[in-house]
Amino acid sequence: EVQLVESGGGLVQPGESLRLSCAASGFTFSSSSMNWVRQAPGKGLEWVSYISGSGNNIYYADSVKGRFTISRDNARNSLYLQMDSLRAEDTAIYYCASVHNYYMDVWGRGTTVTVSS
Amino acid sequence: QSVLTQPPSVSGAPGQRVTISCTGSSSNIGTGYDVHWYQQLPGTAPRLLIYINNNRPSGVPDRFSGSKSGTSASLAISGLQAEDEADYYCQSYDTSLSGWVFGGGTKLTVL
Repeated sequence: EVQLVESGGGLVQPGESLRLSCAASGFTFSSSSMNWVRQAPGKGLEWVSYISGSGNNIYYADSVKGRFTISRDNARNSLYLQMDSLRAEDTAIYYCASVHNYYMDVWGRGTTVTVSS
Repeated sequence: QSVLTQPPSVSGAPGQRVTISCTGSSSNIGTGYDVHWYQQLPGTAPRLLIYINNNRPSGVPDRFSGSKSGTSASLAISGLQAEDEADYYCQSYDTSLSGWVFGGGTKLTVL
């Protein structure tokens, strides 16, 4: 079964850091590009970051550029999102999703990040 | 303000047909990038509903269909069922932003 499972969310104060993980199974992870997408409470979907299967191509949304870092470990079938200098507006459910031809065919259930003092 | 524009809500009675529009611009849909649709049931993660404008993943009923023309796209749902009540999002790629873009989402209510 194709599956993505996010973890690492939690409650942090503004300015702090958090590292999210996404464990993949059931497909050839190293061949799959991946996205992080977030959804603020009661709001729509927002793309956060992309990484190619090899890790050589990386892109970020302007809202997180310079603060978030995406990475992957293909040997561990895992995707990561290092989030630094967190702000209240980063509060959201964070989903990882596999990318195929610019669409996202498999999504995880998400992990919740809350930034509050 | 989302890059792709969708109506905030649509509604229909069971058995009826509804459409959800998605309007973009010359830097995304209009430049040739495909449109994809996601369904998000209450309290769950999004799931792929339509890919590359009008293709359904396995398991998606043929009541769901998509189309694209110019700088816009549409999702049509025929034979509405109570289980279709959800939020629907369109998505494309934007060359100016160099990233994935979504519509603001449309809440479908089955009356």
